[in-house]
This record gives sequence, structure tokens and C-alpha cells, in this order.
Amino acid sequence: ELKVEQNPLFLSMQEGKNYTIYCNYSTTSDRLYWYRQDPGKSLESLFVLLSNGAVKQEGRLMASLDTKARLSTLHITAAVHDLSATYFCAVDASGSRLTFGEGTQLTVNP
Amino acid sequence: ETGVTQTPRHLVMGMTNKKSLKCEQHLGHNAMYWYKQSAKKPLELMFVYSLEERVENNSVPSRFSPECPNSSHLFLHLHTLQPEDSALYLCASSHLSGTRRVSEQYFGPGTRLTVT
Repeated sequence: ELKVEQNPLFLSMQEGKNYTIYCNYSTTSDRLYWYRQDPGKSLESLFVLLSNGAVKQEGRLMASLDTKARLSTLHITAAVHDLSATYFCAVDASGSRLTFGEGTQLTVNP
Repeated sequence: ETGVTQTPRHLVMGMTNKKSLKCEQHLGHNAMYWYKQSAKKPLELMFVYSLEERVENNSVPSRFSPECPNSSHLFLHLHTLQPEDSALYLCASSHLSGTRRVSEQYFGPGTRLTVT
């Protein structure tokens, strides 16, 4: 059974700082997705990573995928308050579905 | 309408009521999903439909009954729910390849369900 683990689960950081969220998964896959969820809202797609070494960047967020290490990272650069949300990674290892991590609740403090 | 829509957005029901949640996708996808998201719990996959056929049912209690009449519509029929069923119910859709690989999933806005 595929397991997807994110860490940290809770992250409180100051504006202007950098940090990385990690997503580890337990079986071979070359497809990984990152989503953002604001409180009380639905999930919004952030990044689609479809091969080993894939790197995507959008604003202050950058995601990468290392399929050999079964690891994806979401790096936050110079955090701002608007980035406060819960971030989920999700892995496709066949079987018609994505398996989601538990989510990382990020709070950016002024 | 674009993307994935869900109705109603909010629902309050008693334990003896019967209600239905509706989801519609306008993306031409061939797979649809129901998820449950409770406070402080991970996202739980409930049902997966591919080409109107249920391909996964994750040990969901029978008081939840899904229906997928075509590739664009998905329903979740609810009856005799319990207070612990109160949660955000999310619908999603994606394209499934011939080898069952999942493309990006698009989520609807969710239905906030409260069972009293």
C-alpha cells in the first residue's frame, strides 16, 4: 500500500524567511502533485511534476521531484502572509487514484 | 459553468433525513471521485468512478450511496447519517489513461455538511 508522508505537519514561520516542506512516498512513482487549501475552501492545484528531476516554480514557491529518492520538496522563498494555507502532496502510483499526504499547515507571521 | 461544480455548498440535515449531493464536471474527464475531509484529519477517499463504473469503494458505510449516471455527473446519496459524518465533502475529476494513470485532479468547491 502506498504511503505518503509530509513533514512538517505544522509550520509557523516569519515573513521573509525560507523553508522547505518534504513529501516522501513509499513506492515507485513518477507523478506527483502539490495542492494548496485555504481554510474552509477546496483544494487548488499548484504544481504537476511528471518526471525525475522535474522542477516547477511559481512566485515564491518551487517544487521538485526526485523519483529515485521518492521525495518531493516544496520550497518557500521569502515567505509572505498570503502563503498561509495547508499544502498537500499527492502521488499517482497507478490504481485510478491519487494518494494524498496529511497536509502541512503553514502559518506565516508578520 | 467551468471546472467542477458542487451543490449544495452547505447542507444541514437531521439524522433521519435523506439528501443528495451533486457534482458536475465540465472538463471532459473520464473519472470522478468523492472525498471526505473532517476537521484535523487527512483527506479520505470514499469512491472512485471511471467511465461510470465504480472502481473503488474504501469501506464506506452503506448510509453513503454514490451514483454516477454519466461521465459528467456524480451524486452522493445520504440517509440516516450520524453526527460524526459532519465534514466537507469534496468532488474531484481527472483523466485516467488506459493504464489507469491519473492526470491532474481538479476539485470542486465542496459541500459543508452538518448532521444534527
